[in-house]
Amino acid sequence: GNSVTQMEGPVTLSEEAFLTINCTYTATGYPSLFWYVQYPGEGLQLLLKATKADDKGSNKGFEATYRKETTSFHLEKGSVQVSDSAVYFCALLETGGSYIPTFGRGTSLIVHP
Amino acid sequence: NAGVTQTPKFQVLKTGQSMTLQCAQDMNHNSMYWYRQDPGMGLRLIYYSASEGTTDKGEVPNGYNVSRLNKREFSLRLESAAPSQTSVYFCASSLSTGRNTEAFFGQGTRLTVV
Repeated sequence: GNSVTQMEGPVTLSEEAFLTINCTYTATGYPSLFWYVQYPGEGLQLLLKATKADDKGSNKGFEATYRKETTSFHLEKGSVQVSDSAVYFCALLETGGSYIPTFGRGTSLIVHP
Repeated sequence: NAGVTQTPKFQVLKTGQSMTLQCAQDMNHNSMYWYRQDPGMGLRLIYYSASEGTTDKGEVPNGYNVSRLNKREFSLRLESAAPSQTSVYFCASSLSTGRNTEAFFGQGTRLTVV
């Protein structure tokens, strides 16, 4: 079956630090990959996505590259802000079938001023 | 833009009580989902509906039932609530037409069963 593994949190950083949140996946087919973000008290919203190998998704200074050879989709940001404090979910979408997203467990990011 | 609307936002139930969580989307999406979010467990799929008139079990369906009332609405029912069903419940929807398919989420229902 499909699964997504994310690094355990919480990740605690100072403002302007470099961020990496690791994500690896297992899939039976050739999935699309996503990062969603959940701000306190809200639902998840799409942060970025990549639909094929070597694609780079980017948004709001965050980036992730679809690495098929290592089955990874690590999230990075060069300089985090306090407003980036949230929970980040890596997800895959097995296309061509039921289109059900599979989510990782989420990684909490806390950014201190 | 309403997107995905869930009601209620908060609910406290006594063990054995029943309730229905409502979800509606206004984006003409064909697929809808119910997830529960628990600390350390991430999002787990309870039920989903790939299209109007169809529903299927997800990873954790026990203790729940669903109804896809029409294309817009997908409700989740707890017939006899248990403390293990204390969680945050999210409804989501998607167009499910290709590799770019993005899921849109409601703001969640925080349910406590005492």
